[in-house]
Amino acid sequence: KAGVTQTPRYLIKTRGQQVTLSCSPISGHRSVSWYQQTPGQGLQFLFEYFSETQRNKGNFPGRFSGRQFSNSRSEMNVSTLELGDSALYLCASSLVPADEAFFGQGTRLTVV
Amino acid sequence: DQQVKQNSPSLSVQEGRISILNCDYTNSMFDYFLWYKKYPAEGPTFLISISSIKDKNEDGRFTVFLNKSAKHLSLHIVPSQPGDSAVYFCAAIFSGTYKYIFGTGTRLKVLA
Repeated sequence: KAGVTQTPRYLIKTRGQQVTLSCSPISGHRSVSWYQQTPGQGLQFLFEYFSETQRNKGNFPGRFSGRQFSNSRSEMNVSTLELGDSALYLCASSLVPADEAFFGQGTRLTVV
Repeated sequence: DQQVKQNSPSLSVQEGRISILNCDYTNSMFDYFLWYKKYPAEGPTFLISISSIKDKNEDGRFTVFLNKSAKHLSLHIVPSQPGDSAVYFCAAIFSGTYKYIFGTGTRLKVLA
């Protein structure tokens, strides 16, 4: 079966712009989580959606938002980009809680 | 506040020897722990997990040990192979949630 698909793979934006990243989970998975990976910080949890509802949120400013559609696809939006937002953004989908999460390849965002 | 810590950013091991990757956590409410492996330009892939009611789980060359009193888990890889060279993340999860708390990762290099 198809894995988790994230688009685009690479993105370059300038400060102040906004960006939308997309994630298609594995078919049948209703939970989608987003993570930010930066050097030295590991994977930082952004938020998690289940059946179009945000159920968990990490410690990120309100500039980071997301949503999930009825087909479980999810988007993440970052507004007013800052240089520090440059990172690898990873999406993961899960079937049941505490089960392994399957990750996409990520979107590498560079803010210049 | 880093609830899951991997204090060794890197580790080098000779091929055929044992690799031991360590992870400490602070929240005793975590009830499930996982290890992920990550190659550059790819998303993390699941390796092995352990429930908090167990102290050991084995899968082939990989064994995870959990010491709840010390709030410590470790991943043993025996024998280590050059293909094991990657960044390893430990993760913890609260019961019934999809929110994974990741450590900062340990870069393992297996020398041929």
